[in-house]
Amino acid sequence: LAKTTQPISMDSYEGQEVNITCSHNNIATNDYITWYQQFPSQGPRFIIQGYKTKVTNEVASLFIPADRKSSTLSLPRVSLSDTAVYYCLVGDYKLSFGAGTTVTVRA
Amino acid sequence: NAGVTQTPKFRILKIGQSMTLQCAQDMNHNYMYWYRQDPGMGLKLIYYSVGAGITDKGEVPNGYNVSRSTTEDFPLRLELAAPSQTSVYFCASGYTSALGETQYFGPGTRLLVL
Repeated sequence: LAKTTQPISMDSYEGQEVNITCSHNNIATNDYITWYQQFPSQGPRFIIQGYKTKVTNEVASLFIPADRKSSTLSLPRVSLSDTAVYYCLVGDYKLSFGAGTTVTVRA
Repeated sequence: NAGVTQTPKFRILKIGQSMTLQCAQDMNHNYMYWYRQDPGMGLKLIYYSVGAGITDKGEVPNGYNVSRSTTEDFPLRLELAAPSQTSVYFCASGYTSALGETQYFGPGTRLLVL
């Protein structure tokens, strides 16, 4: 399984854009990059997934450079309800969750 | 669809007792997983299954057992409960597509071993 490195925590304010970068230097050819969100006392929830270039959905965007050794999750105009832990996972299945990035959004 | 359901929501066990955590999914997913999450930590994979009749160990399988007799159900058995097994247990099911795998998680079971 490819090892991932992401910041432990990030602070932001309502209305700002939050960008979380995840490093995965030993990503394999078959690996996909997936991000999950977890609120306290809940199970993780799928946010977005990609293989290369840029992916966008109604919640977030995922930017993946050509070498795929990193990826950036972008959360546009965050609100207080976006305060959560965000996990970056790399693989095809049996994904490994690390400690994630705790994002705190303040008013 | 109910998605992934887990029972019970909360349980207190005495040291040495046994119990089974139930997990069921109604999405016809082949992949199912059991994770544990200790306070302030990420999720650690206990066991997983890629289909009925097939199970394999994850990162932290000691003290646990699983079975997968049907696509829908994936129970986790704790034998001889220990305080170190105090945790929140999440079950997940997943499917793969051209974009990779997507997992869906249950609400979790909080277990306290005293």
